[in-house]
Amino acid sequence: SQQGEEDPQALSIQEGENATMNCSYKTSINNLQWYRQNSGRGLVHLILIRSNEREKHSGRLRVTLDTSKKSSSLLITASRAADTASYFCATDTRGTSYGKLTFGQGTILTVHP
Amino acid sequence: NAGVMQNPRHLVRRRGQEARLRCSPMKGHSHVYWYRQLPEEGLKFMVYLQKENIIDESGMPKERFSAEFPKEGPSILRIQQVVRGDSAAYFCASSPGEYYGYTFGSGTRLTVV
Repeated sequence: SQQGEEDPQALSIQEGENATMNCSYKTSINNLQWYRQNSGRGLVHLILIRSNEREKHSGRLRVTLDTSKKSSSLLITASRAADTASYFCATDTRGTSYGKLTFGQGTILTVHP
Repeated sequence: NAGVMQNPRHLVRRRGQEARLRCSPMKGHSHVYWYRQLPEEGLKFMVYLQKENIIDESGMPKERFSAEFPKEGPSILRIQQVVRGDSAAYFCASSPGEYYGYTFGSGTRLTVV
């Protein structure tokens, strides 16, 4: 598998439900970031979790990081129709190699009203 | 602060023409990164530049693609003799340094007809 792979590829839920997306990666990282992309639009940075952190919260978002398993999860609680978008995890290896983000293929989230 | 500005937003080129994509980083940011997103895929790193220097171009195709970030003015991603496979969204990101977060632009959507 590639660095920064998301699972599932697509997720369809009802408004009010929670959505969980997972990301796995292969190499050592400096930090891991989650981004949202609405159809045909640019990227919006959601949250960054450093390699020495295990959990981080931002509003309805909760991110966990398990460096021993090289995996992360993004939880969106009480989802809304406006959360419908593609979600990407990206690993940042700055500090171990020249800075660049490696993105996964993304999870397409659809929240039905 | 206007954020990362990319222009044009949309660019249509005929096969064989040249495409020039511009990126003005956020004020105070001296690190610029270019990414390409093919339809239904995640972003792929292309090149990392600092003022007047290419730091990492490991993601750039060997031919027809070039990038620069001059002392004055925006960063330019240049694609010569475009082909249909170059059709994609090209995103630029900037950061103030190696250990800081990234800010992405809204992207340039290139269509080759």
